[in-house]
Amino acid sequence: GENVEQHPSTLSVQEGDSAVIKCTYSDSASNYFPWYKQELGKGPQLIIDIRSNVGEKKDQRIAVTLNKTAKHFSLHITETQPEDSAVYFCAASLSNDYKLSFGAGTTVTVRA
Amino acid sequence: DAMVIQNPRYQVTQFGKPVTLSCSQTLNHNVMYWYQQKSSQAPKLLFHYYDKDFNNEADTPDNFQSRRPNTSFCFLDIRSPGLGDAAMYLCATSSPRAGGGYEQYFGPGTRLTVT
Repeated sequence: GENVEQHPSTLSVQEGDSAVIKCTYSDSASNYFPWYKQELGKGPQLIIDIRSNVGEKKDQRIAVTLNKTAKHFSLHITETQPEDSAVYFCAASLSNDYKLSFGAGTTVTVRA
Repeated sequence: DAMVIQNPRYQVTQFGKPVTLSCSQTLNHNVMYWYQQKSSQAPKLLFHYYDKDFNNEADTPDNFQSRRPNTSFCFLDIRSPGLGDAAMYLCATSSPRAGGGYEQYFGPGTRLTVT
């Protein structure tokens, strides 16, 4: 089955700086890669996703890049704000699969 | 607003006393999931339904059961909770995304405490 590794496990950044979280996956057939944000006491929410036919996708301050050859993808948050503090999970799946394989999560803390 | 609702938000049960957690959705999604999430860990899939078709993960303990009486509702039954079952239980639904992939919509979770 798919194995997703996520690094780092914790990340502390100064407000206004950038944050980068990296994930690797094992199954070369995986072609759908979502990122979820989980705030304290809430369920995860999808913030951005990317498919294998695209190398990069951006939505305001958030961007995701995908390197299919190396089997890794990354989340980039620019101009971080205190409300970006949360746990972020990467995931991978086949596009026709209902199930996701999650990374272990990254706790991001934005220091004011 | 269309959403995934979980009740109760907090549940305390005694060791060995059966407990039921509930989930409802107004999204009319075919797929519903139950996840267990322990502190500082990723959600762990327990089972999922595609319509009425039930799919159990291989490592889900027999102590955990589920029912989906209709599209909108899904229940998680823990027959004899142990201390190790204390966790956040997340319900999710999903729909296919344009271009592929299934976006999962999560409820707020039920925090289960076992005393």
